[in-house]
Amino acid sequence: EAQLVESGGGLVRPGGSLRLSCAASGFTFNKYYMSWVRQAPGKGLEWVANIKEDGSEKYYVDSVKGRFTISRDNAKNSLFLQMNSLRAEDTAMYYCAREDGYNYGHWGPGTLVTVSS
Amino acid sequence: NFMLTQPHSVSESPGKTVTISCTGTSGSIANNYVQWYQQRPGSVPTTVIYEDNQRPSGVPDRFSGSIDSSSNSASLTISGLKTEDEADYYCQSYDPIYEKVVFGGGTKLTVL
Repeated sequence: EAQLVESGGGLVRPGGSLRLSCAASGFTFNKYYMSWVRQAPGKGLEWVANIKEDGSEKYYVDSVKGRFTISRDNAKNSLFLQMNSLRAEDTAMYYCAREDGYNYGHWGPGTLVTVSS
Repeated sequence: NFMLTQPHSVSESPGKTVTISCTGTSGSIANNYVQWYQQRPGSVPTTVIYEDNQRPSGVPDRFSGSIDSSSNSASLTISGLKTEDEADYYCQSYDPIYEKVVFGGGTKLTVL
């Protein structure tokens, strides 16, 4: 069964950086687009970024362009999100999700990022 | 940019039928598949409808999805409401021009 487990969240000051990781297992990782989706406390879901199977194409929501970088290591079945210049509005639960076509069929439990001084 | 708009909340009684709308703006909703996710408090979202009207295995047939091109909207209909259906529901699609995934703002369903 497919499993996704995020790590790397925590408390960081405005302007700081964090690197999130997502460990994938139970499926052929290099055959799927992968996404990061976030949810601010008490708010809705927001797509953050996604990356093609081979890492050759990456897309971002406008609010994180130039600050966040999505990447993957297919040899290690891992997805990453490097987050720089963090702002208070980046505070959210960050989910790693597998794209089954356009459907997010599998989600990790999430990792919480809190940006606060 | 393509956006999806949902009502903030809906409520209905157990056993009744409720429909949640998802209206597309700045683009045709029929151009790309719409998915619907259920998120109970403290839980991860799960798919209840994918590709406009397909149910994943394990989702009861009380859940159905449709597209109405004339109103540029998608709908999630839940019949025979149960208290366990109380959750937040999100529609999701894709903006092919800007190559972005789009979520609706979510609808809180109360079953009372």
